[in-house]
Amino acid sequence: AQRVTQPEKLLSVFKGAPVELKCNYSYSGSPELFWYVQYSRQRLQLLLRHISRESIKGFTADLNKGETSFHLKKPFAQEEDSAMYYCALSGTGTASKLTFGTGTRLQVTL
Amino acid sequence: GAGVSQTPSNKVTEKGKYVELRCDPISGHTALYWYRQSLGQGPEFLIYFQGTGAADDSGLPNDRFFAVRPEGSVSTLKIQRTERGDSAVYLCASSPGSSLAGELFFGEGSRLTVL
Repeated sequence: AQRVTQPEKLLSVFKGAPVELKCNYSYSGSPELFWYVQYSRQRLQLLLRHISRESIKGFTADLNKGETSFHLKKPFAQEEDSAMYYCALSGTGTASKLTFGTGTRLQVTL
Repeated sequence: GAGVSQTPSNKVTEKGKYVELRCDPISGHTALYWYRQSLGQGPEFLIYFQGTGAADDSGLPNDRFFAVRPEGSVSTLKIQRTERGDSAVYLCASSPGSSLAGELFFGEGSRLTVL
């Protein structure tokens, strides 16, 4: 069985402060990990995926297989980063069937 | 050039009634997915279509739930004998057949409330 855990329902940070949204997973095979984001009044959209090793809107995430984690990080939070963030996992051979975590709401305040 | 379109955006029904939710994917996307999101939870997989056929329906909770995609484009999620526990936002997503796994394009969802 595959499982994604996001331990924080809400993360509140000041503008300019570093951000780390935690994600841990459980999967016996070789997973593919993703972060999806939902801004206020917008639809859920892909932010980044671990295989691309890219930085999107200043966010990065590194897959740590030893710790089974895929934390999302940004060095300096911006107001526009305020949104709901979901970590998701796709297992080997399961096409695009994603297992999502419960989400973390990031609130960036002045 | 629109994204994934879902109708209705809101549906209120009574316990025991039948409901249909429609999804119009992005043109040319061969893969279509239904997810369900309950309050305070992340999206939960229901069913996945590749073309006209259901490639994976392992997430459908019971036989009251059924989905079709007869022409490989528009899909309808059908719920019979609705129960209060079916209240949720039903999300549809699509992706190009050749996309990397996990790149889903979501609709805005259909919010179902069962009284």
